[in-house]
This record gives sequence, structure tokens and C-alpha cells, in this order.
Amino acid sequence: EAGVTQSPTHLIKTRGQQATLRCSPISGHTSVYWYQQALGLGLQFLLWYDEGEERNRGNFPPRFSGRQFPNYSSELNVNALELEDSALYLCASSLEPLSYEQYFGPGTRLTVT
Amino acid sequence: GQQLNQSPQSMFIQEGEDVSMNCTSSSIFNTWLWYKQDPGEGPVLLIALYKAGELTSNGRLTAQFGITRKDSFLNISASIPSDVGIYFCAGQLSGGYNKLIFGAGTRLAVHP
Repeated sequence: EAGVTQSPTHLIKTRGQQATLRCSPISGHTSVYWYQQALGLGLQFLLWYDEGEERNRGNFPPRFSGRQFPNYSSELNVNALELEDSALYLCASSLEPLSYEQYFGPGTRLTVT
Repeated sequence: GQQLNQSPQSMFIQEGEDVSMNCTSSSIFNTWLWYKQDPGEGPVLLIALYKAGELTSNGRLTAQFGITRKDSFLNISASIPSDVGIYFCAGQLSGGYNKLIFGAGTRLAVHP
């Protein structure tokens, strides 16, 4: 069974640009979660999507947004990039909304210069 | 905001030794999970705990959900070189709507 996949693996942008990150959940999983992991730090919750709707949001500014498509894949968009947005962005999926067992993808390393 | 205090921050041990790490909080959690992250990879779920006092094993790994619901520990017995990585605890707060709070991680190095 294929795990969570993310693309691209690496992304380099300049300050002020926009970044789009993509995630495909495990087949059959309906919930997708996005986390930010700054270098050497723990994971910070960004967004949770289920059945195409945003269900919960972490303490991040509105320039972090996303969406979930009918096939349950998801996009994370970061507008007006700032240097401190440089981090590993991890996507996770779970089988159902009430399951806290989240399975992670390999991440997208975003570098803002 | 809510946070988990994970300790130790790092450990350097000899192959064959046992390892213990823990997470504590001032908040009550409904669920505790333990993940391992290898360099360049996403975290991999090791153990999930759902009830206070629950003790669960996964091979050489054993984790417990604290009675007070404010802490959890993870033990690794007879460590091997492939145990190297960063171990994260994560907790789901009561009424936390699927939002997991992660600890800062314990970096484990195992010397052959």
C-alpha cells in the first residue's frame, strides 16, 4: 500500500513569492493535516482538512492557506513568503476524522531566500 | 499555549543499552502517540495510547499513558544502531479537534 506522498521534495523561492505544496494521502484516508517543522524544532500544526472542508487551523497567519480536492489530495499555499517560512512542511493523513493516528509523508523542504 | 515538555533533548548510548524518554504537560491529554523521524523522512508512528494507565509494546518499544493523563514515557530495550533518529511524543488535547501537539523531540545516537 502506498504511503502519503508529497511534492515537490525541495522548493526554493524568494521572499515575497508564493509557494504551492502538494500532498496525496494514503488510499482510503479522508483527513489530511499539514505541519511545519523548522530546522531542529518540533512539528507545529498548520491545517486540518476533511471531506474537502477546513476543520481546524493552527496559529499561523492567513497567508498560509490550503484546500482539499474531491480525491482527498491537498494543497498548501503560502503567500508573500518570508525568510522564516523556510522549513520542512509535512503532510499527514488519517483513516477517519476521529482517528488520531496520523501517517506522515516525507515532507517538502521549502527554502526562502 | 499548550505545550509538551519532552526530555531528554538528546541521548548518546552504547548499543545494547536500554533507553527511556518522556513527555509531560500541565494539560490533560486524551491520546498520546510516539513517532520516530529518520533524517530526511517524515515521522513514523510507533505506538498510540488511548487510555490512562495503558501500557503498550511494539517489539522492543514500550510506551505508557500516565495515570494523570498529563504524561507519557517511551522505553527502548536493547538498543541497536538503527534506533538512531529523533523520537517525538504527540498528544491530543481534550476537545482538541484532532489537533496534535508535538514535543520538541529526543535525538538518539547509538554507538556500536
